[in-house]
Amino acid sequence: QQQVKQSPQSLIVQKGGISIINCAYENTAFDYFPWYQQFPGKGPALLIAIRPDVSEKKEGRFTISFNKSAKQFSLHIMDSQPGDSATYFCAASGSFNKFYFGSGTKLNVKP
Amino acid sequence: DADVTQTPRNRITKTGKRIMLECSQTKGHDRMYWYRQDPGLGLRLIYYSFDVKDINKGEISDGYSVSRQAQAKFSLSLESAIPNQTALYFCATGGQSRDTQYFGPGTRLTVL
Repeated sequence: QQQVKQSPQSLIVQKGGISIINCAYENTAFDYFPWYQQFPGKGPALLIAIRPDVSEKKEGRFTISFNKSAKQFSLHIMDSQPGDSATYFCAASGSFNKFYFGSGTKLNVKP
Repeated sequence: DADVTQTPRNRITKTGKRIMLECSQTKGHDRMYWYRQDPGLGLRLIYYSFDVKDINKGEISDGYSVSRQAQAKFSLSLESAIPNQTALYFCATGGQSRDTQYFGPGTRLTVL
């Protein structure tokens, strides 16, 4: 059973638009929710992360929105750029230090 | 030099062969992880180790084994490779704060 469910599988956005990727989880023991960005031929790299004591975290054009009661969190990329084209993974972790990843979203930002 | 290195980067092998994938890190982290990535399935944890004497199974450990030779080295073995083990394999490290994992560049393994 997949611990973290991610959607959509792929996303096409025009340059300057907003990209939104959603994730949901079931295990209430999770207390750390990172997003990773992966470019072709590279390993994933941490983009931004949030803990459940806040509902939103913003770093530049990237924002995580977190809804604890719904057990959902999402990544918003404002003013999307062609350089943002990559695969994005959400993940969740608890005190046991194991990370569970979503299935990934391939984002294509068209010029 | 990269903080997390994996060798080989690409490998093609045949069914039934034994394969070892190696991971080395210079970050000084105690925690090391092996994942496999498949299209549409994301990253799935195979094994993880919190120090040299602590090794744990992940979600999909069947058909795999690991060895933590030193703090900086963590190897993944496929004792008898099968075609459905064809995937992209990533090693990752993590510090005590667990705030992030640092991934290697990956090994693309093809089992014919």
